[in-house]
Amino acid sequence: SQTIHQWPATLVQPVGSPLSLECTVEGTSNPNLYWYRQAAGRGLQLLFYSVGIGQISSEVPQNLSASRPQDRQFILSSKKLLLSDSGFYLCAWMRRTGNTEAFFGQGTRLTVV
Amino acid sequence: AQTVTQSQPEMSVQEAETVTLSCTYDTSESDYYLFWYKQPPSRQMILVIRQEAYKQQNATENRFSVNFQKAAKSFSLKISDSQLGDAAMYFCAYRSLTLTTGNQFYFGTGTSLTVIP
Repeated sequence: SQTIHQWPATLVQPVGSPLSLECTVEGTSNPNLYWYRQAAGRGLQLLFYSVGIGQISSEVPQNLSASRPQDRQFILSSKKLLLSDSGFYLCAWMRRTGNTEAFFGQGTRLTVV
Repeated sequence: AQTVTQSQPEMSVQEAETVTLSCTYDTSESDYYLFWYKQPPSRQMILVIRQEAYKQQNATENRFSVNFQKAAKSFSLKISDSQLGDAAMYFCAYRSLTLTTGNQFYFGTGTSLTVIP
């Protein structure tokens, strides 16, 4: 069966520090991968998606970047965090075809102080 | 880009009663998928129900059913015999089938459902 791992679960970082959140998927190949952010009391905002290794599409211009160094690994990064980067970050994967849903990781609660 | 609108930020229902959550979407595509996700306090996203746009029959999953009106671009979720465990944030989601956009999911802003004992 397929599983998705996302870590860390919680993170407190000072303003100006770097960020690296990692997401890996097991049990499938060539997945579409996604990073979402959920601000407090808000919906899910799509940040990045990837349809293949090294292929990253950004939905919203911001202080963050994403990379996909391996087929089932998706990394969200920042060189210098801002207070506004605080939020709940969710990684998700989806099969490229078929009527499947998106499968989500457990999420990372990031607090920038 | 597609947009998904949930006009009810909060809803409440008495235990064992029925509640309907509303969702509308905007798209120019003819084929797509629609989903309802549940996010309990644990923040884990859980799929509740899915609907293929090409199917006229409304999807049902036990106590959960949808009213899919393609022409009106409406996709409401009905929860029957509400239980305390149904209390959560509910998100309506649209899945594009356009490969060039990575089969993107678009989410509404969510409806917070409270179940009153």
